Amino acid sequence: GAGVSQSPSNKVTEKGKDVELRCDPISGHTALYWYRQSLGQGLEFLIYFQGNSAPDKSGLPSDRFSAERTGGSVSTLTIQRTQQEDSAVYLCASSLSLVPLHFGNGTRLTVT
Amino acid sequence: SQQGEEDPQALSIQEGENATMNCSYKTSINNLQWYRQNSGRGLVHLILIRSNEREKHSGRLRVTLDTSKKSSSLLITASRAADTASYFCATLSYSSASKIIFGSGTRLSIRP
Repeated sequence: GAGVSQSPSNKVTEKGKDVELRCDPISGHTALYWYRQSLGQGLEFLIYFQGNSAPDKSGLPSDRFSAERTGGSVSTLTIQRTQQEDSAVYLCASSLSLVPLHFGNGTRLTVT
Repeated sequence: SQQGEEDPQALSIQEGENATMNCSYKTSINNLQWYRQNSGRGLVHLILIRSNEREKHSGRLRVTLDTSKKSSSLLITASRAADTASYFCATLSYSSASKIIFGSGTRLSIRP
């Protein structure tokens, strides 16, 4: 079946604008993660959803970042009032039972 | 903050040689996973080793885990050009519920 799908693949936005990044997980996967990867760096945990439980938001870097997961499936990561330091690749991953994680190809966000 | 730190940060070897990457982590873990990331793509799960295991094999991959030293190693034998990628360790910690934390990665280059 289809893997994890992320859209858009690339997003260029002006500083101060809001952006929405979308993740379509693998059907039936109850766990969904968002990570941020700066150029040549490791993955920074942002947020984790598991079924109907309250999400673990402990990795969100500021209150400009928020995420939701509707109907236990599609997730949207929203960044308000974007800053240049928000430029990175945002990766989404889903899993059926914690591990292994299945990743999308990411959204490359550039804030000018 | 990142749980794991990979060593070395970058590794360049001749095709056919073996590549060894190390990962150190900070807290007690449930399991440790290794992922590969090709340029511009998402991560792909390679192998998982549980905290009660010391060694695991999968094809040309060999993973070891030393919980007393909080470290793991990934050995790729008989390297191929297609092994060129970044490799990340990731840990699932007892103390962080289901949060999977990634290390900073090792960039592996295979010279033909």
